[in-house]
Amino acid sequence: QQQVKQSPQSLIVQKGGISIINCAYENTAFDYFPWYQQFPGKGPALLIAIRPDVSEKKEGRFTISFNKSAKQFSLHIMDSQPGDSATYFCAAVIKGETSGSRLTFGEGTQLTVNP
Amino acid sequence: DAGVTQSPTHLIKTRGQQVTLRCSPKSGHDTVSWYQQALGQGPQFIFQYYEEEERQRGNFPDRFSGHQFPNYSSELNVNALLLGDSALYLCASSWLAGMSSYEQYFGPGTRLTVT
Repeated sequence: QQQVKQSPQSLIVQKGGISIINCAYENTAFDYFPWYQQFPGKGPALLIAIRPDVSEKKEGRFTISFNKSAKQFSLHIMDSQPGDSATYFCAAVIKGETSGSRLTFGEGTQLTVNP
Repeated sequence: DAGVTQSPTHLIKTRGQQVTLRCSPKSGHDTVSWYQQALGQGPQFIFQYYEEEERQRGNFPDRFSGHQFPNYSSELNVNALLLGDSALYLCASSWLAGMSSYEQYFGPGTRLTVT
């Protein structure tokens, strides 16, 4: 059962443009929503994350928008650069009381930024 | 400060064989999680170890087992390998009691090919 759905599957953007990736979740027990960036042959790298009590978080060119009532969140990459070309994964987390967090990932979005 | 390290980088095994993958967590981290990432998909949670015990487990058969050592490093063992076990195996570490305990940091992964 896919608990986090991500779209689009692939995205092509021109340099300087805005990249937008969307995710939707089902389980209201999720309480932390990170985004990971993965380059070919590398492990995912934590990019930015948000808690459900915040509607927006910005770090540099990366912004997460969160809509708790709609159970949706999105990643915006402003002024997209060719170096941003990678696969992006949204994820959702439930943290156990006696155990650590467990990531549930979306299917991924392959972003290509053309020069 | 070394990040999460994994060994080996690549591995080729024959169907029916057994394999052991290794992970050393980021300095200061005490929790290790393992994920399986099939080609073109998001990582899937296998299990998590803390204080040398399996704390959480995803939807993976008993052929997948693990261990955590007193120095927090961990091993993932897969018995009776199937062709479908071919994937990138990712290790992620975190600090259970830390202020940022939700944050998981991934290693580069071990690429397992089963022939």
